[in-house]
Amino acid sequence: QSALTQPRSVSGSPGQSVTISCTGTNSDIGTYDYVSWYQQHPDKAPKVLIYDVSQRPSGVPDRFSGSKSGNTASLTISGLQAEDEADYYCCSYAGSYILFGGGTKVTVL
Amino acid sequence: EVQVVESGGGLVQPGGSLRLSCVFSGFTLRNYWMHWVRQSPEKGLVWVSRINSAGTSPSYADSVKGRFTISRDNAMNTLYLQMNSLRDDDTAVYYCVRGGSGSYSPFDFWGQGTLVSVSS
Repeated sequence: QSALTQPRSVSGSPGQSVTISCTGTNSDIGTYDYVSWYQQHPDKAPKVLIYDVSQRPSGVPDRFSGSKSGNTASLTISGLQAEDEADYYCCSYAGSYILFGGGTKVTVL
Repeated sequence: EVQVVESGGGLVQPGGSLRLSCVFSGFTLRNYWMHWVRQSPEKGLVWVSRINSAGTSPSYADSVKGRFTISRDNAMNTLYLQMNSLRDDDTAVYYCVRGGSGSYSPFDFWGQGTLVSVSS
């Protein structure tokens, strides 16, 4: 049960797009289309942004999008805004257990 | 409005025990799978355990298997995590988290978190 692999940090200027990768294995991301992404601001609980690889819950802006190819999932933030500065975590169902990534800090320059 | 009151966290010595509780309101607990997720600065978010809506099928991360027990009381809208044989690396903020109708459902509601500190 090893954590999914995410870059420690990414950054971008307002209006730009950034993409966060999340790499797993054939036992998790590669097998199941149950990848979700969570946004966490300091001292707040995480909030779901994307579920089932690419679905957005009601209320999440459409500038957040998700995709998957093979063992790697990705979260793209288009039109970066100041309030997007936060930590982002990917998560994958793996049958008898669930895995998170180590988290990526997004900095808005 | 979905709300939760988490309790039970605190400072405990290695080898000790704690029982975390989450009392929910604003939804029918028995319709949902429920989870515990913990967070530490070193490891970020880590899934700990889950339990099905009926309370008959628990699952655990390898790191806590045999030491932690998840349970629920749907009539009391309460989720529990009994933690035994606590170790230093169990130190974290523990969140009770709502899933959905399936074990694969995303986490759509998180408690405020309760801090568990394991130290001598």
